[in-house]
Amino acid sequence: EAEVAQSPRYKITEKSQAVAFWCDPISGHATLYWYRQILGQGPELLVQFQDESVVDDSQLPKDRFSAERLKGVDSTLKIQPAELGDSAMYLCASSHGRLAKNIQYFGAGTRLSVL
Amino acid sequence: QQQVKQSPQSLIVQKGGISIINCAYENTAFDYFPWYQQFPGKGPALLIAIRPDVSEKKEGRFTISFNKSAKQFSLHIMDSQPGDSATYFCAASMGTGNQFYFGTGTSLTVIP
Repeated sequence: EAEVAQSPRYKITEKSQAVAFWCDPISGHATLYWYRQILGQGPELLVQFQDESVVDDSQLPKDRFSAERLKGVDSTLKIQPAELGDSAMYLCASSHGRLAKNIQYFGAGTRLSVL
Repeated sequence: QQQVKQSPQSLIVQKGGISIINCAYENTAFDYFPWYQQFPGKGPALLIAIRPDVSEKKEGRFTISFNKSAKQFSLHIMDSQPGDSATYFCAASMGTGNQFYFGTGTSLTVIP
């Protein structure tokens, strides 16, 4: 069964350092989402791509966060500099997009700890 | 502002019992309401979903009840099993391919 791949699974970093997370969506999925999930809460959307274009990044803290999906396939989310409050699970999800029944498939996530 | 409100925060049920989780929303533009199940260390996985043109959807032991006028929907897990112990999230979205607004989650523990 096809899965959304994310790496690394865990990342520990110090405050003010740069971190990057990678996501490979299910093949053929045009829409890719990055969510942040704080412990004990539901996921919150950070950025949404349709192919290589950003559809929604209204909740992305653009002073420190950036995301790209250059070829419309895999994607990278970067934080620079990391802050203590960035400690969370970062989830990537994908869907067929316009052809979908809104089914989003999630990866296992990257657990970030900022010390 | 929380777009989707979920309760209870945690739930303990005996094996064989019925687990009920409730969600409420305000935005009448929402037209898709999925429930996701998340095990520790894993990403959320789609469990069951409903659109507002039906009042109930059942898949195996899982049922969604939807009340459009009250803007509420709930997940019922019949014959709850220890393997159902997980965190459950309701969500809502508008239109195809649009973002999900998740509830805050319910931690379900099924006691053998």
